[in-house]
Amino acid sequence: EDKVVQSPLSLVVHEGDTVTLNCSYEVTNFRSLLWYKQEKKAPTFLFMLTSSGIEKKSGRLSSILDKKELFSILNITATQTGDSAVYLCAVGNSGNTPLVFGKGTRLSVIA
Amino acid sequence: DAMVIQNPRYQVTQFGKPVTLSCSQTLNHNVMYWYQQKSSQAPKLLFHYYDKDFNNEADTPDNFQSRRPNTSFCFLDIRSPGLGDAAMYLCATSIRRGTPPYNEQFFGPGTRLTVL
Repeated sequence: EDKVVQSPLSLVVHEGDTVTLNCSYEVTNFRSLLWYKQEKKAPTFLFMLTSSGIEKKSGRLSSILDKKELFSILNITATQTGDSAVYLCAVGNSGNTPLVFGKGTRLSVIA
Repeated sequence: DAMVIQNPRYQVTQFGKPVTLSCSQTLNHNVMYWYQQKSSQAPKLLFHYYDKDFNNEADTPDNFQSRRPNTSFCFLDIRSPGLGDAAMYLCATSIRRGTPPYNEQFFGPGTRLTVL
């Protein structure tokens, strides 16, 4: 059975800190790994990773995939209170099956 | 702007009273999904359509039905809502045409269902 495990489940940091969120997976015929940010509404897309070792970056957020060790990390530098959200990791395979989501990491950034 | 739209954003219904949630998209994506998300949990896939082909998850209760009359619209019908069905219902779309990447899903804003 395909599964996605995120850690930690929750995290509290101070503004300005750097955080690393983890996502490990087991999936048949891996195709892609996606990160989403969810505040009090629907998830919004952050990154999609398909190749190992290639960092994707958007402002203070960056992510990288390790297909050998079957994990990805999402880094947020110089955190701000607006980064407070649940960060979801999801994995897709090359077949017809939909994404498999992890339970998310709840990040709280306090001033 | 191309987008995924859900109506209503908030729905209150009574125990056992049927309710229909709607989703429309202007992205011309051929796959549409319905998720249920309860507080502090990951989205749980209920079913999805690949074009007109309906795919039901094994653990989706019979109480939940779906219709996709055309590419743009998809409906979620809850025939007899129970208290345990109170949740956020998310609609998402994606493209599947055999050319990667096609796993990315675009989500609508969700409908928050309250069951009294």
